[in-house]
Amino acid sequence: IAGITQAPTSQILAAGRRMTLRCTQDMRHNAMYWYRQDLGLGLRLIHYSNTAGTTGKGEVPDGYSVSRANTDDFPLTLASAVPSQTSVYFCASSVLAGGLNEQFFGPGTRLTVL
Amino acid sequence: GQNIDQPTEMTATEGAIVQINCTYQTSGFNGLFWYQQHAGEAPTFLSYNVLDGLEEKGRFSSFLSRSKGYSYLLLKELQMKDSASYLCAPLDSNYQLIWGAGTKLIIKP
Repeated sequence: IAGITQAPTSQILAAGRRMTLRCTQDMRHNAMYWYRQDLGLGLRLIHYSNTAGTTGKGEVPDGYSVSRANTDDFPLTLASAVPSQTSVYFCASSVLAGGLNEQFFGPGTRLTVL
Repeated sequence: GQNIDQPTEMTATEGAIVQINCTYQTSGFNGLFWYQQHAGEAPTFLSYNVLDGLEEKGRFSSFLSRSKGYSYLLLKELQMKDSASYLCAPLDSNYQLIWGAGTKLIIKP
């Protein structure tokens, strides 16, 4: 692994189903983030983690949950998917929390909820 | 509220210079980032400005005026590979990035 990876690359999901998007980084970065990107809108922060064992809510957290059991992994779970969660999801990481550091992004997961 | 304003789309010619403007209103300010995003790919870091003035990095330069809530990204000697979206993102008082919708730059030969 080099950098930050996400899985799956894309997924079509029926409404009401549970889904976990995976994110793994091998850079030993302390901070990790989940964003969604929709056409015509800027990236919107869903959840973040400043360090392993801690998480926080971003701008649009409803319908999503995260965990940070270790430094490398930061999965995002949709408990019961709805069509408005159709989006491209990016995971990112930075050396330290607080936004002053450059964020490195994974390749994204394109999710369609029908 | 917090607001980022950048043009939706710009067109420029290969070899030319283009300036992409960004105006922002945020609750506090702790610097401003520019990222590049090619279609279907992840954003990648271009620059970070925290003080007023111009920061030059090769063909790309970024300018900041904190008093005016204004920044621009200057791209020189445009190449076809510069066709991408450019995202302006200031840091607010909580050190959260506030992302603009991005400017899609189209380079024509």
